[in-house]
Amino acid sequence: EADIYQTPRYLVIGTGKKITLECSQTMGHDKMYWYQQDPGMELHLIHYSYGVNSTEKGDLSSESTVSRIRTEHFPLTLESARPSHTSQYLCASSELDLYSGANVLTFGAGSRLTVL
Amino acid sequence: KNEVEQSPQNLTAQEGEFITINCSYSVGISALHWLQQHPGGGIVSLFMLSSGKKKHGRLIATINIQEKHSSLHITASHPRDSAVYICAVFPFNTDKLIFGTGTRLQVFP
Repeated sequence: EADIYQTPRYLVIGTGKKITLECSQTMGHDKMYWYQQDPGMELHLIHYSYGVNSTEKGDLSSESTVSRIRTEHFPLTLESARPSHTSQYLCASSELDLYSGANVLTFGAGSRLTVL
Repeated sequence: KNEVEQSPQNLTAQEGEFITINCSYSVGISALHWLQQHPGGGIVSLFMLSSGKKKHGRLIATINIQEKHSSLHITASHPRDSAVYICAVFPFNTDKLIFGTGTRLQVFP
């Protein structure tokens, strides 16, 4: 059972449209991440957040923006989509497990975006 | 040189074979994750390791912190195990994952 939910799973839109990819988690994790992945390629971090009102750019430059108004919600927005934005976007969350001292990690199922 | 190296990059096997995927890293870590991604699919965390060995069904993961090395083993492989397996680490003092390049596994009937 998924504890991190991404919607939509698939989206096909025209150039110039504004889109928001939703990501919600029910685990109360403070840390959340957005990754971009082209088919058969590596994951690239585009945004991350350490908690409410905290957002940072990732390692890969992206024209998207994110917000973190609530712990459980970390949406990603593209103001004007272009074909170069066609990709899979994966949301993840993590939290330090105090018992093991290790970071628990959970990924969403991904949102596959196609911009025509 | 990548901070997380995986081998092999590609692996094919016949159903029933024992499979090993290796991961070496060069940084101090708080945790290592083995991830699985089926073609066109999302990512599932198979194991989180900070020491020792874990087993889930036919999957076994081990880590040697001193040698900075981890292995993922699949016993009695099955075609549904065909996927990309990714090693990812959380370095100390950062909450950003470093990913290996992945191992593409194909298991044929």
